Amino acid sequence: DGGITQSPKYLFRKEGQNVTLSCEQNLNHDAMYWYRQDPGQGLRLIYYSQIVNDFQKGDIAEGYSVSREKKESFPLTVTSAQKNPTAFYLCASSQTPTNNEQFFGPGTRLTVL
Amino acid sequence: DQQVKQNSPSLSVQEGRISILNCDYTNSMFDYFLWYKKYPAEGPTFLISISSIKDKNEDGRFTVFLNKSAKHLSLHIVPSQPGDSAVYFCAAKRTSGSRLTFGEGTQLTVNP
Repeated sequence: DGGITQSPKYLFRKEGQNVTLSCEQNLNHDAMYWYRQDPGQGLRLIYYSQIVNDFQKGDIAEGYSVSREKKESFPLTVTSAQKNPTAFYLCASSQTPTNNEQFFGPGTRLTVL
Repeated sequence: DQQVKQNSPSLSVQEGRISILNCDYTNSMFDYFLWYKKYPAEGPTFLISISSIKDKNEDGRFTVFLNKSAKHLSLHIVPSQPGDSAVYFCAAKRTSGSRLTFGEGTQLTVNP
């Protein structure tokens, strides 16, 4: 059963702590993406990776970091420098970097207390 | 700079009627457009897309229309069903690029 998994579904952290969100895909897709969704706003791109060991900043990369050491994994770390970390985080992948359709995981709701 | 805009945050229609969701874009470099459907606390799912070389694409109850001169696209759902109630996102990209730019979303409610 191919797809994208994100864990956990809900995550709570204290202010000032770093937290890492998991994203795994078994679709053999080259490109992976992280988005953030806030109420009343569209999906905003945080980071993306077109190939293993390479990634680029999206529109709102400040306070976040990523790694792409394996093709199937693209973890996102929300650091204490991110001013408003509470949000719904979505991971996506596409077969190739220029492939038009992106497939999304189920998302992680992060709440920072 | 909001390059993709969905000006209606919400839309309510009766079951069986037509739903029309609108999207405007400003970047003339965009040449591929997608619609995604999203339920609460879930990831978006792809619905339908259109290339800029076409002005219409149809898939069952869903039709997307593209007006390049107006930089406007719309999604028509006919007939609307209660299960269509969700947030619909319009997205745009350049086929040579890898980034999708999303609109703010429109909450569609289909009343029985």
